[in-house]
Amino acid sequence: DSGVTQTPKHLITATGQRVTLRCSPRSGDLSVYWYQQSLDQGLQFLIQYYNGEERAKGNILERFSAQQFPDLHSELNLSSLELGDSALYFCASSVELAGADTQYFGPGTRLTVL
Amino acid sequence: LAKTTQPISMDSYEGQEVNITCSHNNIATNDYITWYQQFPSQGPRFIIQGYKTKVTNEVASLFIPADRKSSTLSLPRVSLSDTAVYYCLVGGDTGRRALTFGSGTRLQVQP
Repeated sequence: DSGVTQTPKHLITATGQRVTLRCSPRSGDLSVYWYQQSLDQGLQFLIQYYNGEERAKGNILERFSAQQFPDLHSELNLSSLELGDSALYFCASSVELAGADTQYFGPGTRLTVL
Repeated sequence: LAKTTQPISMDSYEGQEVNITCSHNNIATNDYITWYQQFPSQGPRFIIQGYKTKVTNEVASLFIPADRKSSTLSLPRVSLSDTAVYYCLVGGDTGRRALTFGSGTRLQVQP
C-alpha cells in the first residue's frame, strides 16, 4: 500500500459524458501527478500540481482539467468523453517539488467509455 | 525533455542476473534517473534512483557511466515474481518540467 488513494476503482460511462476522478496523496506529500495509461501502453504524464498550484503540464487534452484543493486532494475532470479515453488513470504523489523525488502511485482508476 | 529508450522486452530464467539498459542521450545536468516496476493493472512502484556512478539497495543496483547518457538496472537472481514492466524515468529538480516515462521493458522470467 503506497498510501495514495484513488476513487473510484472502476468507472463505466458513455461517450460525451463527463467524469471526475479523485486522488488523495500520501500524508505530507504536496505534489500530485496524474498519468494516463492506455491498454498495453506506457504511462503518459498529464499534469502536476504542487500545494494547490499547477506546476507542469504534459500531454493533457483540452477536454481534461485538474485541480488540487486546500486539503491537497486532487481531482481530474474528463469531459466530452471519447472511446479513446478508455484507460487506467493513475495518481502519484511526492514530498517535494523536485522531479527527482520518489513518486508514490495509487492503485488507479479504470475508465471505460462505451 | 530527456527522451529515454529501452528494449521492448527481455526474457530470463529464475536465478539469473538481469541487466536492463536505458539510453538518455540528452539528459540534463540536474536530471536524476529513476526506475519503476509495474505489474499488470497496478500503479508503478519505485525501485531505485541515482545521479551518477553506482547505487545499490536491497532489490537492485543502478549503474550510471560518467557521461550519464545511459543507465543500467541490475536485478540479481530474479524470480518469477520479478516478471513485470520496468520503466526508466529521467527528470530534473526544477519541478516545472514535464515528466516522461520511457517505453518500458517487459521482463518475462521463466522457471
